[in-house]
Amino acid sequence: AQSVTQPDIHITVSEGASLELRCNYSYGATPYLFWYVQSPGQGLQLLLKYFSGDTLVQGIKGFEAEFKRSQSSFNLRKPSVHWSDAAEYFCAVGARYSSASKIIFGSGTRLSIRP
Amino acid sequence: GAGVSQSPRYKVTKRGQDVALRCDPISGHVSLYWYRQALGQGPEFLTYFNYEAQQDKSGLPNDRFSAERPEGSISTLTIQRTEQRDSAMYRCASSLGQGLAGDNEQFFGPGTRLTVL
Repeated sequence: AQSVTQPDIHITVSEGASLELRCNYSYGATPYLFWYVQSPGQGLQLLLKYFSGDTLVQGIKGFEAEFKRSQSSFNLRKPSVHWSDAAEYFCAVGARYSSASKIIFGSGTRLSIRP
Repeated sequence: GAGVSQSPRYKVTKRGQDVALRCDPISGHVSLYWYRQALGQGPEFLTYFNYEAQQDKSGLPNDRFSAERPEGSISTLTIQRTEQRDSAMYRCASSLGQGLAGDNEQFFGPGTRLTVL
């Protein structure tokens, strides 16, 4: 069965500092991988996704993520955070070799920005 | 608007009552998904539809939960005889095509916050 672990419940970084949010997954093969962001009172928005090819994926809002098969990880990074990046971030996996469309989400990492 | 809409945004009900939550997907989207999100947790898959056909209901917690999408557009998630443990944010998403591959992104609605007293 697929599962996702986000080991950091809450992270605080200073504005302008770099950011890395950790994500580890469990799956028998290479899954589809996603990062979503949820701002207060808003729905979830897709930041980026990995399906195949280049293991470094660029997303919206200056985010990127790197798929590392050997570590079963898909960490999210941003070189310089802005106060507007304060939100909850969810890593998620989807089955590749299946007609199923469900996505399994991690428990999320809440990001706070220090002025 | 062009996004996924859900109604009501907030629902407070008493234990034992039935509730119906509505999802209006993006026009033309084939697939529709229901998730439940407890406080401090990620969304948990409940069920999904391709057109009007319910493809997977493995995430529905018990037989008090049901969903339908009779005309392949609007969907209703119904919870019968609500219990306090049903309190959560219920989120709907839709996607243009079936499956996860390619550009088939799931677009999420703002959710319905259900509180069972």
